[in-house]
Amino acid sequence: AQTVTQSQPEMSVQEAETVTLSCTYDTSESDYYLFWYKQPPSRQMILVIRQEAYKQQNATENRFSVNFQKAAKSFSLKISDSQLGDAAMYFCAYGDRDDKIIFGKGTRLHILP
Amino acid sequence: NAGVTQTPKFQVLKTGQSMTLQCAQDMNHNSMYWYRQDPGMGLRLIYYSASEGTTDKGEVPNGYNVSRLNKREFSLRLESAAPSQTSVYFCASSQGENQPQHFGDGTRLSIL
Repeated sequence: AQTVTQSQPEMSVQEAETVTLSCTYDTSESDYYLFWYKQPPSRQMILVIRQEAYKQQNATENRFSVNFQKAAKSFSLKISDSQLGDAAMYFCAYGDRDDKIIFGKGTRLHILP
Repeated sequence: NAGVTQTPKFQVLKTGQSMTLQCAQDMNHNSMYWYRQDPGMGLRLIYYSASEGTTDKGEVPNGYNVSRLNKREFSLRLESAAPSQTSVYFCASSQGENQPQHFGDGTRLSIL
């Protein structure tokens, strides 16, 4: 069975600094996709970024970028120029071709002013 | 833009009572999902439906049943609620085929 592991339950970063959130996953599939979601205190789930496994190029969305290492089964999220509004729970998610999507346990990110 | 609508938003049940959580999406999505979110456990997949007429078990299906009534609606039923099912439940939908999920606002369910 596929699993998603986020090894950092909580992290803190100074405003305007850069922070990297870790995610590893386990799968025997070669074709899959990966996501990062953000959940602020409002409890809404917001898509941050997605990556398709067959693409070598790392996805980027403004201040958010990923480091996708397929062989290592690693999918980390880098947030540049951290802002107070980035404070939230961040979830890494894995999706397979059967449209089954599973999540990690999350990393709570604190932004220090 | 309604997106994914879950009802109710809050519910308190007694142990042994039954309950159906409703979910509807207006985006013509193929796939729909039910998750539960517990502190320190992230979101765990209960059931999902990759298309109308199909349902599959996720990570934690025991104690739950689902119905994909049509393309728009995907309900989650607790036949005999237990305190361990106290949680926040999220419904989500996606177009499938690599597309991201859209989530409802969640249902906070407490079982006494």
